[in-house]
Order: sequence, then C-alpha cells, then structure tokens
Amino acid sequence: DSGVTQTPKHLITATGQRVTLRCSPRSGDLSVYWYQQSLDQGLQFLIQYYNGEERAKGNILERFSAQQFPDLHSELNLSSLELGDSALYFCASSVMSEAGELFFGEGSRLTVL
Amino acid sequence: GENVEQHPSTLSVQEGDSAVIKCTYSDSASNYFPWYKQELGKGPQLIIDIRSNVGEKKDQRIAVTLNKTAKHFSLHITETQPEDSAVYFCALFKGGAGSYQLTFGKGTKLSVIP
Repeated sequence: DSGVTQTPKHLITATGQRVTLRCSPRSGDLSVYWYQQSLDQGLQFLIQYYNGEERAKGNILERFSAQQFPDLHSELNLSSLELGDSALYFCASSVMSEAGELFFGEGSRLTVL
Repeated sequence: GENVEQHPSTLSVQEGDSAVIKCTYSDSASNYFPWYKQELGKGPQLIIDIRSNVGEKKDQRIAVTLNKTAKHFSLHITETQPEDSAVYFCALFKGGAGSYQLTFGKGTKLSVIP
C-alpha cells in the first residue's frame, strides 16, 4: 500500500459526459501528480501541483482540468469525454524537497462508451 | 519535451537468467534516473534509482548503470524469478524552481518463464 488513495477505481460513462477523479496523497506529501496510462502511450504526465499551486503542465488537454485543495487532496476533471479518453488515470504524490520517489495510487480506470 | 527511449518493449527470459532493459535520453540536464515496476492492476512502484554523480548502483538482484556521456542507463536483473514478471518503466527527472516532472519510457513487459 503506497498510502495514495484514488477514487473511484472504475468508472464507465458515455461520450460527452464529465467525470471527476479524486486523489488523496500520502500523509505529509505536498506534491500531487496526475498521469494518464493508455496501452499505446505508456505513462503520460498531465499536471503537477505543489501545496495548492500548479507547478508543471504536461500534455493535458484543454477539456481536462485539475486542482489541489487546502487539505492537499486533488481532483482531476475530465469533460466532453471522447472514446480516446478511456485510460487508467494515476495520481502520485511526493514530498518534493528534491528529486526522489513518487508514490503512485492504484489508479482510476475510465471507460468511455 | 524530454523524450526517453526504452528497449526492448517485451522481454522473455528463463527463470534464473538475467534481464537487461536499456533507456536512452537526449537532455544532458537530466540528473535523476529512477526505474519503476508495475504489476498487473497496480500503480508503478520505485525499485531502484540513480543520480548523475554515480555510475552504478546495486540492490540485491537489481542494478542500474548510468552512462552520462552516451546518455543511456540500464536496468539489470540477475537470477530472475517468476515474481519479477511485470512491466518496467525507466524515467528521468527534469525540474527546478518547485517544478518536478518525471518523464517515463514506454515500458518493457518482462516475462520470466519458470
């Protein structure tokens, strides 16, 4: 158990809909990262937050947004869903005092029908 | 952005043999190179890492080597066991000023045949 909690574990929805994925980082970790994992693209970095502020942005679509709340949990919002958004979405956390280990949750599997 | 090429994409070895996975990168500013193992249905987990001031690091049956001049780093697993079967990802760190981004390779699916 990494200490990172993601909900929901599975989600099935239709094209055009909007979903929210939630992540609770490890106790004490200030930084949260979101990654998308699809079969052909590996682990794609989406966005990073540190203590409530956005710090780095990867290949995140404009239809996607995220935030980190004062209690340090984070939410990833996916809207106007398309079939191609079907993937595993991972949240990871770290202390981020220096380059070091990321602790990953078990992921949220999104299926868009 | 930074790219990291990982080879091979799949690897099958007999139990007890060694496995080697290699990654190459282009940005010489990268200074931290971790390897993650992902088992079926789970998130990736760090198994070993190396920093740019070190050429090799070993942890029991797992070792990582780094050649900064040639810009490649490799994972070596010796005496493989069935529980080593998983997907392995190399990654490299790029960051500064509070920004910390890990870029992952596309993964190597390792199968250890009993």
